[in-house]
Amino acid sequence: GAGVSQSPSNKVTEKGKDVELRCDPISGHTALYWYRQRLGQGLEFLIYFQGNSAPDKSGLPSDRFSAERTGESVSTLTIQRTQQEDSAVYLCASSFGVPNTEAFFGQGTRLTVV
Amino acid sequence: AQSVAQPEDQVNVAEGNPLTVKCTYSVSGNPYLFWYVQYPNRGLQFLLKYITGDNLVKGSYGFEAEFNKSQTSFHLKKPSALVSDSALYFCAVREGLTGGGNKLTFGTGTQLKVEL
Repeated sequence: GAGVSQSPSNKVTEKGKDVELRCDPISGHTALYWYRQRLGQGLEFLIYFQGNSAPDKSGLPSDRFSAERTGESVSTLTIQRTQQEDSAVYLCASSFGVPNTEAFFGQGTRLTVV
Repeated sequence: AQSVAQPEDQVNVAEGNPLTVKCTYSVSGNPYLFWYVQYPNRGLQFLLKYITGDNLVKGSYGFEAEFNKSQTSFHLKKPSALVSDSALYFCAVREGLTGGGNKLTFGTGTQLKVEL
């Protein structure tokens, strides 16, 4: 596809269940980012992948959160034992691996923990 | 560490009037600066960027931004606001460090409301 694709677009899960969110970046983009956006709030950095370098995990809020990326392709964000405070929109973005290029965002996954 | 500040949670302006959304940044190296817009229930859309050269950058939908190195600012502007410009605006920065560094840091966002 031409843009960043995220799936599912909406996810409702029960407290305590694990969820997996998927991001397909734009082809050729070596950098991939995950952000969290709570209702009416700003973007909270979660994790950043750059090529084959070790990911920057400094934004992950707890050890329940993890993310993987297969080469320079798909990424999955996993949240274990979900809590109600995990409810938010999870946004993925990708860009070329140089700092002067803009990142392109997917439409996000709206996660609701009930 | 790099950071971005958007000091105003909300900006209100009348349609037809000029608008300014403020952004200041902090980086160690050279800054690369970006503005994004988010309409309700949508992802973020890129508006414009500053990488080098002319301090006045022009972008989509008639928006422009002025880079000011001495004030470490990158304010978003538009000469004549439209009701359809009402949205959430985010400023972002990357550092141009030797050896790389590509982390993209966002401000907290400014809600722009344009009224008739």
